[in-house]
Amino acid sequence: GEDVEQSLFLSVREGDSSVINCTYTDSSSTYLYWYKQEPGAGLQLLTYIFSNMDMKQDQRLTVLLNKKDKHLSLRIADTQTGDSAIYFCAGGSGGKLIFGQGTELSVKP
Amino acid sequence: GAVVSQHPSRVICKSGTSVKIECRSLDFQATTMFWYRQFPKKSLMLMATSNEGSKATYEQGVEKDKFLINHASLTLSTLTVTSAHPEDSSFYICSASPFLRESQETQYFGPGTRLLVL
Repeated sequence: GEDVEQSLFLSVREGDSSVINCTYTDSSSTYLYWYKQEPGAGLQLLTYIFSNMDMKQDQRLTVLLNKKDKHLSLRIADTQTGDSAIYFCAGGSGGKLIFGQGTELSVKP
Repeated sequence: GAVVSQHPSRVICKSGTSVKIECRSLDFQATTMFWYRQFPKKSLMLMATSNEGSKATYEQGVEKDKFLINHASLTLSTLTVTSAHPEDSSFYICSASPFLRESQETQYFGPGTRLLVL
């Protein structure tokens, strides 16, 4: 089945760019997603990219997809302290989502 | 749009009792709802998928008699943890998937329910 891998931690300074990486195994995912989870809360859908796209930009967020390498990344420009959270990538397959372990982003002032 | 609510947000119960958690899609109809369990600092583990009007599909290793799921309408699904034990303490999150032409996998998540079994 699908396996989704992420690095567990990322620490950046306020104002810098953050890049969170994700690799996946199932190339049949139609869409790939990024979700944000703040402490004690549910998941907030940040953005998603159709599998035949290479890049999608939405304000401070840029998603890059390399289908050949099965690599997905989320870049957050001008990272703010409010961006501190856990970020999950997920691939869709058969109506289900398979999540990575989550990357904890820590933004230092 | 695409708001999902859960109730209660937090519940403490005694061992052996049953707890019901509600998941509602507030501004859309959800053909499918999902129930996840999340342990601290861990990813989400899919427990079951429920479709309105039919029996839920449980993931391997999830006891269907312990975690009862009812999807009575296109906006409401409930998860009942029966005869709860301390090891059932966890963060339970539901999600709802509207039927979209573009993607059938897009899910909108509720805020989660923290269950503590004493």
